[in-house]
Amino acid sequence: DTAVSQTPKYLVTQMGNDKSIKCEQNLGHDTMYWYKQDSKKFLKIMFSYNNKELIINETVPNRFSPKSPDKAHLNLHINSLELGDSAVYFCASSQEGIEQGGTGELFFGEGSRLTVL
Amino acid sequence: AQSVSQHNHHVILSEAASLELGCNYSYGGTVNLFWYVQYPGQHLQLLLKYFSGDPLVKGIKGFEAEFIKSKFSFNLRKPSVQWSDTAEYFCAVIPYSGGGADGLTFGKGTHLIIQP
Repeated sequence: DTAVSQTPKYLVTQMGNDKSIKCEQNLGHDTMYWYKQDSKKFLKIMFSYNNKELIINETVPNRFSPKSPDKAHLNLHINSLELGDSAVYFCASSQEGIEQGGTGELFFGEGSRLTVL
Repeated sequence: AQSVSQHNHHVILSEAASLELGCNYSYGGTVNLFWYVQYPGQHLQLLLKYFSGDPLVKGIKGFEAEFIKSKFSFNLRKPSVQWSDTAEYFCAVIPYSGGGADGLTFGKGTHLIIQP
């Protein structure tokens, strides 16, 4: 059983479109994250959610909006896609955030490769 | 804010060679440290982690890392690499900032290529 699963794995779309990436974890973790990995493999955190509350929002354009219907899901919705949004997006989860006494260890999904044409 | 530096972006070794990948972080307080590996086309997997105690930690697949607090370093080592170790390696840190930001901060990664 996949612990952190993302769909779709690959997404090719035109500029200006709106798309969503879904993420689900079956680990019972409290905190979920979205990371963006660019073409140089650099990983940058975008969002995290703890108990359905956004606790990090880095300098990400407001075209990106995370949505968490429940503790096990954190979806990423992107409006008006741009060429620079092309990247691999990784969902991750941790048992507790560091502020809640956790270790910070992340469990990653397999990634969703987004290509904007 | 904390940051992580990985000294080598690309490393090429022959099989059976010894490996050491450098990692330094900048943060004055207590941190947890991690090394993750990303095999070609795959997601990130945890290699090893340091929270406290013995500064020499052992991970999967024969990897180990040593935390040297005075040098703010957490270098990854393996005595004898294999072709299957070809991958991207990421060092990451999270501080016990107590009210600060959450989530791991990653270094820019080291692309390791092992030649048969």
